[in-house]
Amino acid sequence: EDQVTQSPEALRLQEGESSSLNCSYTVSGLRGLFWYRQDPGKGPEFLFTLYSAGEEKEKERLKATLTKKESFLHITAPKPEDSATYLCAVQATGGYQKVTFGIGTKLQVIP
Amino acid sequence: DSGVTQTPKHLITATGQRVTLRCSPRSGDLSVYWYQQSLDQGLQFLIQYYNGEERAKGNILERFSAQQFPDLHSELNLSSLELGDSALYFCASSVEVAINTQYFGPGTRLTVL
Repeated sequence: EDQVTQSPEALRLQEGESSSLNCSYTVSGLRGLFWYRQDPGKGPEFLFTLYSAGEEKEKERLKATLTKKESFLHITAPKPEDSATYLCAVQATGGYQKVTFGIGTKLQVIP
Repeated sequence: DSGVTQTPKHLITATGQRVTLRCSPRSGDLSVYWYQQSLDQGLQFLIQYYNGEERAKGNILERFSAQQFPDLHSELNLSSLELGDSALYFCASSVEVAINTQYFGPGTRLTVL
């Protein structure tokens, strides 16, 4: 069964203090890995899709990277508005296009 | 704005009642997914419809059912409600080609008293 584990569960950063969130996954074959941002009480907002090991994508202060077993979401010089829960999800190859979500990392950036 | 709409935003009801949540997918998306998110828990996949037909089921209770209509909007029906059904319910849609990037609606917050 596909599994996604995110760490840490919660992270508190000072404004400007860069860090990384981890997403470890187990799938029979990876078709795609997704990152979402979720604000409290809101729907997840799509950030990135990564397809193969070695791939990197950037958006403002966020950069997502992918290896064969994990993905990292690097946050450079975060601002308070980056505070949110970041969700990782994977889609396996073959058959039904099921997407499995992790429970997320709750990020708090303090001014 | 993802382009996915959900109504109502909030719903407060009593145990034993039945409610219907509605979702309109992004223009052009044929697939609709329903998820449940309880407090401090992850997204639990409930059910998927593709172009009007049920495609996959997740952890959906027998008291819950869904359908997708010819205009592609979808409804999630929750019956014999229990306190534990209180949660955020999200709808997502996708074009569902090889890579299943899903776009989420704003959610419906259900409170069962």
